[in-house]
Amino acid sequence: ETGVTQTPRHLVMGMTNKKSLKCEQHLGHNAMYWYKQSAKKPLELMFVYNFKEQTENNSVPSRFSPECPNSSHLFLHLHTLQPEDSALYLCASSQEWAGTSGNNEQFFGPGTRLTVL
Amino acid sequence: KNEVEQSPQNLTAQEGEFITINCSYSVGISALHWLQQHPGGGIVSLFMLSSGKKKHGRLIATINIQEKHSSLHITASHPRDSAVYICAVVVTSGSRLTFGEGTQLTVNP
Repeated sequence: ETGVTQTPRHLVMGMTNKKSLKCEQHLGHNAMYWYKQSAKKPLELMFVYNFKEQTENNSVPSRFSPECPNSSHLFLHLHTLQPEDSALYLCASSQEWAGTSGNNEQFFGPGTRLTVL
Repeated sequence: KNEVEQSPQNLTAQEGEFITINCSYSVGISALHWLQQHPGGGIVSLFMLSSGKKKHGRLIATINIQEKHSSLHITASHPRDSAVYICAVVVTSGSRLTFGEGTQLTVNP
C-alpha cells in the first residue's frame, strides 16, 4: 500500500462517544499534519508533528487529542465533540516540516467525513 | 481580511479554454502551494514554488515575490479539471501554513 491512508472514511458519533481517527503514511516522510475542513471554509491546520514531536497546535480545543507513536502513524482521538465539529478531517505528510525551506510538498489522505449528532 | 486571497471564487469555462486562477497574499512567505481538491474531498498537491515558474503538463504556476502574487494557469481545459483549487502559503513568521478559501472551477464539455 502506498501514499497516505485514513480510516475510517466516514464516522457518525454522538456527543458522548469517544472515537479515534487513524492516518498512516508509507512515504518515509518525517512530518505529519491534521487539518479540518468545514463547509465553505478554508482548510484549517490543527496539529503538526515533526519527527514524532508536536510542533504546532493551532489553538485546538482539548476535545481533540493527537497522538503520533512513530513517523508513519498519526491518530486524532475525539471525545465529547460538538455538532459544530462535524467536518472533513484530512491528514497529510511531507518529507520535511512545512515550516522549513526544504522539501515540504504535502501529500494528503482521502479524509474522514465526521458527523457529530 | 484573510492573509491569502484567491480570485475568482467561482469560475465556469468551456472545454478548451485557457484558465487563470489568482492568489494574492499579504505576508512574507518562504513557499507557496497550489492544491487541487476533487468532489469527495481528496486533495492533491499540484505545485510548491518559492520563485519563478513551474510547469506540469497543462498546468503552469507562477509566482512574483515582490508583488506577493501567484497564478495557476490551465491550458486546453477539460471537464476532468473541474475541482476546487486552493492556494496555501508558508508564512515565514512562525513558519505556519495559511490557506486561501479556494476557487471552484467547473469546465463544461
